[in-house]
Amino acid sequence: AQKVTQAQTEISVVEKEDVTLDCVYETRDTTYYLFWYKQPPSGELVFLIRRNSFDEQNEISGRYSWNFQKSTSSFNFTITASQVVDSAVYFCALSEGISNFGNEKLTFGTGTRLTIIP
Amino acid sequence: GAVVSQHPSRVICKSGTSVKIECRSLDFQATTMFWYRQFPKQSLMLMATSNEGSKATYEQGVEKDKFLINHASLTLSTLTVTSAHPEDSSFYICSALKSQNTEAFFGQGTRLTVV
Repeated sequence: AQKVTQAQTEISVVEKEDVTLDCVYETRDTTYYLFWYKQPPSGELVFLIRRNSFDEQNEISGRYSWNFQKSTSSFNFTITASQVVDSAVYFCALSEGISNFGNEKLTFGTGTRLTIIP
Repeated sequence: GAVVSQHPSRVICKSGTSVKIECRSLDFQATTMFWYRQFPKQSLMLMATSNEGSKATYEQGVEKDKFLINHASLTLSTLTVTSAHPEDSSFYICSALKSQNTEAFFGQGTRLTVV
């Protein structure tokens, strides 16, 4: 069975500080996909990144970066120089690699509520 | 990016009535759509997988007769909450899968309140 754990329920940081959101996953599959989504107060889910299990290269996109460590089954997300607009709930998710695209049903973590204090 | 639209965004209904929620892919054809449910301050739980032209596949513990899913076309899936009760009050969100190698796109969600 798949499982995604986001141990940090809520985090508050002062604007411009860096913050890392942790994600630990469990799966028996050798092929799987990991995702991060942002859910602002309006409710919609904003896609941030998808990473397959064979690609352990870290990724950076602007102020966002992701650290994929297969050895520890972790896929952590760091926001540098945080801004008030980053305040949201962030979900880590996992899908089995049933299809070539890894877009099958997602198992979500419980989310981390991030508050950036101005 | 692709656009998925859910309607309505908010609905309040009386206990015992049925409510239909629509999920439309506006600029692509979606062979597969997923329906999730999210309780306040909790995670999203997959309810069912909806494939165009076939019966939906429900997750364990989800009542098929209570949550009716219809995926009649490649751009529309509907979720009907039948005989709604206050405990069905939740945030329902759909996602649609393009046929190409992209991530699933989520709708804006529907907040259902049963009174």
